[in-house]
Amino acid sequence: DGGITQSPKYLFRKEGQNVTLSCEQNLNHDAMYWYRQDPGQGLRLIYYSQIVNDFQKGDIAEGYSVSREKKESFPLTVTSAQKNPTAFYLCASLDHGERLNEAFFGQGTRLTVV
Amino acid sequence: EDKVVQSPLSLVVHEGDTVTLNCSYEVTNFRSLLWYKQEKKAPTFLFMLTSSGIEKKSGRLSSILDKKELFSILNITATQTGDSAIYLCAVSTGGFKTIFGAGTRLFVKA
Repeated sequence: DGGITQSPKYLFRKEGQNVTLSCEQNLNHDAMYWYRQDPGQGLRLIYYSQIVNDFQKGDIAEGYSVSREKKESFPLTVTSAQKNPTAFYLCASLDHGERLNEAFFGQGTRLTVV
Repeated sequence: EDKVVQSPLSLVVHEGDTVTLNCSYEVTNFRSLLWYKQEKKAPTFLFMLTSSGIEKKSGRLSSILDKKELFSILNITATQTGDSAIYLCAVSTGGFKTIFGAGTRLFVKA
């Protein structure tokens, strides 16, 4: 079945560590996105990539990094520069065709700093 | 099983019309209901609703939540072609889980 998969579901990080969140999709979508969700707030865009080997910063990119070496994969690294990384992270993908299409979201990764 | 259902799935209107988009939900441990607008790029946040009966407004858009009947509506008055988009409803539950509806595809004709 086609879909978008995030892993792990839960992740614990010690202060000062870098961690990488995985996002894989087999929908053949060109565009992929990372969002962060904090309690009581909506999704905030971290980074997005419209094609392979290209990505742009979103609204809150500081302290994060991404890569897009393959169409199917868009991993997000939360670096030690991110001062408040505890949050729920959502990955999404979208087909960039001429028609408006539904965004497909992963089930999310909950990151906690311990 | 938690679920969020939006209706209609698609809608075509003429400029100047008023539209009402619906979102019903069944979830455990409700926290908030969110509306997003999605065009060709990433979805953009519109409203967050947590309390029943309090209308949120932003220009021509408004939304209200009914926690007793478990639904929300998003109204758009005097529609414009720039309102053409997919409107996503999402419900946030305990544990920061967010369940999205399938979206309503709105097309506004000039």
